[in-house]
Amino acid sequence: AQKVTQAQTEISVVEKEDVTLDCVYETRDTTYYLFWYKQPPSGELVFLIRRNSFDEQNEISGRYSWNFQKSTSSFNFTITASQVVDSAVYFCALSEEGYSTLTFGKGTMLLVSP
Amino acid sequence: DSGVTQTPKHLITATGQRVTLRCSPRSGDLSVYWYQQSLDQGLQFLIQYYNGEERAKGNILERFSAQQFPDLHSELNLSSLELGDSALYFCASSEGTSDYNEQFFGPGTRLTVL
Repeated sequence: AQKVTQAQTEISVVEKEDVTLDCVYETRDTTYYLFWYKQPPSGELVFLIRRNSFDEQNEISGRYSWNFQKSTSSFNFTITASQVVDSAVYFCALSEEGYSTLTFGKGTMLLVSP
Repeated sequence: DSGVTQTPKHLITATGQRVTLRCSPRSGDLSVYWYQQSLDQGLQFLIQYYNGEERAKGNILERFSAQQFPDLHSELNLSSLELGDSALYFCASSEGTSDYNEQFFGPGTRLTVL
């Protein structure tokens, strides 16, 4: 069965610091998709990125970057020069081949202080 | 704004009661998913419908049921409510049923059972 582990329950940083959120997944499939979602204090879930299991190229989008390593079953998320608006709960999720339903990790609460 | 709407935003009810949560997917999306977010269980997949048919089932209690109507909106029915059913219920939609389909989440319905 699939599983997503986000070992960091809560992270506190000061504005402008870089921060990395860890995500480790388990799956028996060779084809799968990994996702990151952001849940700000307002409560909605906002899609950030999708990565398929055959694409290990790192991705950068502005201050956000993602590091996918199949060898360690990890899909880590780094925010560079964090801002107060980045304060939210971040969820890593997995969907397995043939299924679109998502298995979520427990989430990491990021608190960025001014 | 994801384009997914959920009503009501908040719901307060008593144990033993029955409630209905409603979801309208994004225009053009045929798949609807229901997720429950609680403090102890995290974000859990409940059930998925695709074009009116049940597609996948997760950790959904027998007291809970859902359906998707011809106009593609969906309802989640929760009956014989218990205190532990208090949670944030999300609806999400996607274009299809493939594992790569990005899911767009609604703002959620916060259910409080007293």
